[in-house]
Amino acid sequence: DAGVIQSPRHEVTEMGQEVTLRCKPISGHNSLFWYRQTMMRGLELLIYFNNNVPIDDSGMPEDRFSAKMPNASFSTLKIQPSEPRDSAVYFCASRQGAILNEKLFFGSGTQLSVL
Amino acid sequence: TQLLEQSPQFLSIQEGENLTVYCNSSSVFSSLQWYRQEPGEGPVLLVTVVTGGEVKKLKRLTFQFGDARKDSSLHITAAQPGDTGLYLCAGSGNTPLVFGKGTRLSVIA
Repeated sequence: DAGVIQSPRHEVTEMGQEVTLRCKPISGHNSLFWYRQTMMRGLELLIYFNNNVPIDDSGMPEDRFSAKMPNASFSTLKIQPSEPRDSAVYFCASRQGAILNEKLFFGSGTQLSVL
Repeated sequence: TQLLEQSPQFLSIQEGENLTVYCNSSSVFSSLQWYRQEPGEGPVLLVTVVTGGEVKKLKRLTFQFGDARKDSSLHITAAQPGDTGLYLCAGSGNTPLVFGKGTRLSVIA
């Protein structure tokens, strides 16, 4: 299996622009997670889906952030408008089931820089 | 909110030395996981511990879950440069995984 695939690997944009991050989970995995990583705050859970349905979006910073999962093989995280404080590495992860201690498989991340 | 504190934040040691890093919380977790993350990559799971007092070994790495399931430790014997990376603990309770900020380990040859 190819693993969790994220695109783009790097994104540099200007403040105010829309940013869309993409994720393809491992085939057969039913849960998908979006995390954000910074030096100051570590890995923070933004939102997660079970069977394409958003379960908990309490970690989404504000209304500028939105996430969708239109089908089992694709998810997007959108930031509109972007701000410099959104600069971070964004990770997508997937898991086979809904059991909380199951192994998470992470993608390689998207390094976002908002100037 | 369940929080995990990891210590030390940074650790730089010589090849061949032993080390222990810690993961502590005031909350009880049903299980705890350790991940290692290398630059430019996502975290990769090393081990999951479930039972209080549980000890698991993975080659030169020894993981222990505290009796009260609030803390964990990772001990590395005879560290090698290939052990360099960010070590993250993550706990699950009634919410998805909560991660600590990690211990950044550098093993110098």
